[in-house]
Amino acid sequence: EDQVTQSPEALRLQEGESSSLNCSYTVSGLRGLFWYRQDPGKGPEFLFTLYSAGEEKEKERLKATLTKKESFLHITAPKPEDSATYLCAVQAKGGSEKLVFGKGTKLTVNP
Amino acid sequence: ETGVTQTPRHLVMGMTNKKSLKCEQHLGHNAMYWYKQSAKKPLELMFVYNFKEQTENNSVPSRFSPECPNSSHLFLHLHTLQPEDSALYLCASTPSQRGGETQYFGPGTRLLVL
Repeated sequence: EDQVTQSPEALRLQEGESSSLNCSYTVSGLRGLFWYRQDPGKGPEFLFTLYSAGEEKEKERLKATLTKKESFLHITAPKPEDSATYLCAVQAKGGSEKLVFGKGTKLTVNP
Repeated sequence: ETGVTQTPRHLVMGMTNKKSLKCEQHLGHNAMYWYKQSAKKPLELMFVYNFKEQTENNSVPSRFSPECPNSSHLFLHLHTLQPEDSALYLCASTPSQRGGETQYFGPGTRLLVL
């Protein structure tokens, strides 16, 4: 069974304090790993898709990396507006094309 | 309107009521999805439609009845719900169901069942 585990569940940072969020996964052949940001009361907003181990993608203060077992979302010099819940999801090759999501990491950045 | 829209944004209903949730995507996509998001739980896929045909029902109780009249519109008809059905219901779409494509989400409908 495909599984996604995100850690930590919650993370508090001071503005400017860099850190990383972890997404560990088990999947029978990875088609893609997706990162989303979700603000309270809103739908998930797409950030990145990673397809193969070694791949990296960046957007502003965020950088996502992928290995065969996990993905990291690195946040460099975060700002209060980066506060949100970050969701990781995997899609397996073959069969159903559904996304399997983790529970998310709630990030709070204090000014 | 752009992206994926959902109405209503908030809904309170009794267990004997019948209501419907509506999703519309303005992206020219052909696959649409319903998800349920409960507190402290991962998003759960409920239904998938591809070119108006249902391709996945993730063991969802029959009190939830989806309808997809065309590739741009998706409905979720609700009847005799239970309090544990209270959650955020999210709609998403992709260009097709080919796999590896980004799912774009709507803002969700926050449902409270009393």
